[in-house]
Formats: sequence, C-alpha cells, structure tokens
Amino acid sequence: AQTVTQSQPEMSVQEAETVTLSCTYDTSESDYYLFWYKQPPSRQMILVIRQEAYKQQNATENRFSVNFQKAAKSFSLKISDSQLGDAAMYFCAYVSGAGSYQLTFGKGTKLSVIP
Amino acid sequence: KAGVTQTPRYLIKTRGQQVTLSCSPISGHRSVSWYQQTPGQGLQFLFEYFSETQRNKGNFPGRFSGRQFSNSRSEMNVSTLELGDSALYLCASSPGAPLGQYFGPGTRLLVL
Repeated sequence: AQTVTQSQPEMSVQEAETVTLSCTYDTSESDYYLFWYKQPPSRQMILVIRQEAYKQQNATENRFSVNFQKAAKSFSLKISDSQLGDAAMYFCAYVSGAGSYQLTFGKGTKLSVIP
Repeated sequence: KAGVTQTPRYLIKTRGQQVTLSCSPISGHRSVSWYQQTPGQGLQFLFEYFSETQRNKGNFPGRFSGRQFSNSRSEMNVSTLELGDSALYLCASSPGAPLGQYFGPGTRLLVL
C-alpha cells in the first residue's frame, strides 16, 4: 500500500517570502501521479499543482513549484512571494496510474502567512 | 463548467439514525470518490465509483455504502450513526488519474 508523509504539521512564512513544504511517499509502482491540494479555512479543497512520475521536469504553476526527486520519493512544494491568501492546510496526495483514481493523502501542513 | 456540488451542506443527526448525502460531479466526469475528513484521522478514502460500479472501497464498516447513477450523480449512505461518524464528508470527481480529483464543498455531519 502507498503511504504519504508530511513531516511538518505547521509552518509559517512572512508575506512576500518563500516557503517550502515537504512531502515524502512510499510506493512500489512506477506509474503514478502526485498532487498538492490547498484547503483554506472552512473552504473548498483546491488542486494547486500536479506532477507526473515519468516526467523529470518539475511542475510550475505561477508562484507554486515542486521539487520532485523520484529516487528519494520526495515531492516538496515551494510557494514564492507568499500572500495572505496562501494561508491554508496543504495536502500532498498520491494516485496510482492504474485502476482506481483514489487519492492517498498526507496528514497535511497548516501554513500561516504573517503580514 | 459547474463544479462539484454536494447536498446538504450541513446536517445534524442523532445516534442510531441514518443519513444520505448527495454529490453531483462535474459534467463529463465518470469517476466519483468519497472521503471522510476528521481532525484526528485526516482524509480517509471511503469509496470510488466509476460508471455506476464501485471500483474501490476504503477500510470502513459496512454501515457506509454508496451508489452511482447513470448520470454519474452519487449518493452515500451511513446507517446506524455513531458519534464518531461526525466529520466533513467530501465528494470528488475526476476525468482521469493524471488530472487529479476536483472536490465539492463537503457535507458537515454532526452526530449527537
């Protein structure tokens, strides 16, 4: 079974600064996809960024980028120029490339942005 | 396209009752998954339906069940509610594994 681990329950960052959230995963599969989701307080879960395991190039979406280290099974999220609206729970998630689209989530990291 | 919708948004029930939650996926998405979110256990997978067939089921008791209709809308049912069933229940639809899942706003269930 696949597992996803987020070792930082809480983090904080100053507005306009850069922060990196960590995620590691364990799998024996070769075909899979990784995601970061954002869940603001009392608001909907939003897909932030996705990464295909077969792609070496790190995904980027505006101020959000990932550092995907496949051999180390590491998938960290970097948020540049942090904004107050970035304050949220961030979840790392894994899905197999075969069969069910079930997501396996980490426990999440609560990010606070300090004005 | 309209996003994933869930009804009702809030629900209060008492122990022993049953509850049915509804989810309408994004148009064209054939996969619908359900998750339970609690502060202690985080996000736990309940089940996934694809074209009306349950394709996978999480580690939950048989009191939790679901179904999917021909229009991809899905319902989940919890019978004989327990206090521990209090949670946010999230529905998500997906066009395919590489694209991830798109979540609804959730149904917050409180069992008294």
